[in-house]
Amino acid sequence: NAGVTQTPKFQVLKTGQSMTLQCAQDMNHEYMSWYRQDPGMGLRLIHYSVGAGITDQGEVPNGYNVSRSTTEDFPLRLLSAAPSQTSVYFCASSLGLAGPKDNEQFFGPGTRLTVL
Amino acid sequence: GIQVEQSPPDLILQEGANSTLRCNFSDSVNNLQWFHQNPWGQLINLFYIPSGTKQNGRLSATTVATERYSLLYISSSQTTDSGVYFCAVGVHNRFYTGANSKLTFGKGITLSVRP
Repeated sequence: NAGVTQTPKFQVLKTGQSMTLQCAQDMNHEYMSWYRQDPGMGLRLIHYSVGAGITDQGEVPNGYNVSRSTTEDFPLRLLSAAPSQTSVYFCASSLGLAGPKDNEQFFGPGTRLTVL
Repeated sequence: GIQVEQSPPDLILQEGANSTLRCNFSDSVNNLQWFHQNPWGQLINLFYIPSGTKQNGRLSATTVATERYSLLYISSSQTTDSGVYFCAVGVHNRFYTGANSKLTFGKGITLSVRP
């Protein structure tokens, strides 16, 4: 299994540009989520999905859109990039069932985004 | 929302020393994980431990859910242990069946192990 994969690894955008960060997992996980990491802030939840067709907002959703058309993929869209969105973005997934270990979340390698 | 506090914020150790990292949280949780973020930024799962005690080599963790804290023990520290240690907790999502939970992270503990 490749686990959780993210592309691209690095990206530089200009203010106002749009782009999509890709996230995929091959573990048949139901639960997927996006976090951003800023210096001194830990990781904060942007959006999450409990299964295909179901998404919801996290702690810092403004400026981001998500959709979940398949179990495997959970892209994050920046519609009009702003310098405040400069951050490292992590995608995570977990089984999302009711078993004792099904909550454990696994993280991708991250995407480092700079908005000029 | 739930609050997660980690202490100490920074820790400097001499190689071979032992240490204890603490995570306090403000509400009942059904998920607690410890991560190590290495110098390349990768988040590595250390423990999934909503309650009880687990050990993995030189690392062990204990969560006392009723008292809302978790401890991560590092014994005989090595330079490769350096990095940031995060505690993250999750609360059961009452709108969906299953155990899905959103993780709330602490701000992390920066550990530096000197040779």
